[in-house]
Amino acid sequence: DAGVIQSPRHEVTEMGQEVTLRCKPISGHNSLFWYRQTMMRGLELLIYFNNNVPIDDSGMPEDRFSAKMPNASFSTLKIQPSEPRDSAVYFCASSFIRDSGTDTQYFGPGTRLTVL
Amino acid sequence: GNSVTQMEGPVTLSEEAFLTINCTYTATGYPSLFWYVQYPGEGLQLLLKATKADDKGSNKGFEATYRKETTSFHLEKGSVQVSDSAVYFCALSDHAGNQFYFGTGTSLTVIP
Repeated sequence: DAGVIQSPRHEVTEMGQEVTLRCKPISGHNSLFWYRQTMMRGLELLIYFNNNVPIDDSGMPEDRFSAKMPNASFSTLKIQPSEPRDSAVYFCASSFIRDSGTDTQYFGPGTRLTVL
Repeated sequence: GNSVTQMEGPVTLSEEAFLTINCTYTATGYPSLFWYVQYPGEGLQLLLKATKADDKGSNKGFEATYRKETTSFHLEKGSVQVSDSAVYFCALSDHAGNQFYFGTGTSLTVIP
């Protein structure tokens, strides 16, 4: 399996612009997670989906952030408008959640976002 | 609630030294426990895991034992190498909530 695929790997944009990050989870996984990592705040869970449905978005910082999962093989995280404080590495992870609980999360390589 | 506490870094060791990174947890029910490793510029990778009390996870010379009585899952390696330099994250998975809870990460640097 190719693992979790994220694109782009690096994104540099100017304040106020819209940014869209993309993720393709591992085939067969039913859950997808978006994380943000910064030096100051560490690893933060933004939102997670189960069977394409958002289950918990309490970590989404504000209305400028939105995430969608239109099908089992694709998800997007959008920031509009972007601000310099959004600069971070954004990770997507996927797993298979059984009735008995979660299985291992597998992470993508991340998207390094820089907002100037 | 659920949480993971791991020792503060950074940790600097000489090659072939013994490594311990402490991790304790708070959880309802019976969580699974994980150690992830993040090499510079990469995403997190699963290093090892344990799903029930007294289980020992092991991989690449690293070991951790799930201790329910002390709510701990300390990471150990008998002889570290320069290539082990990375950030290590302890995590638990809450079966009830279907979420992962990560520690803050411990940076390890191994010098020749």
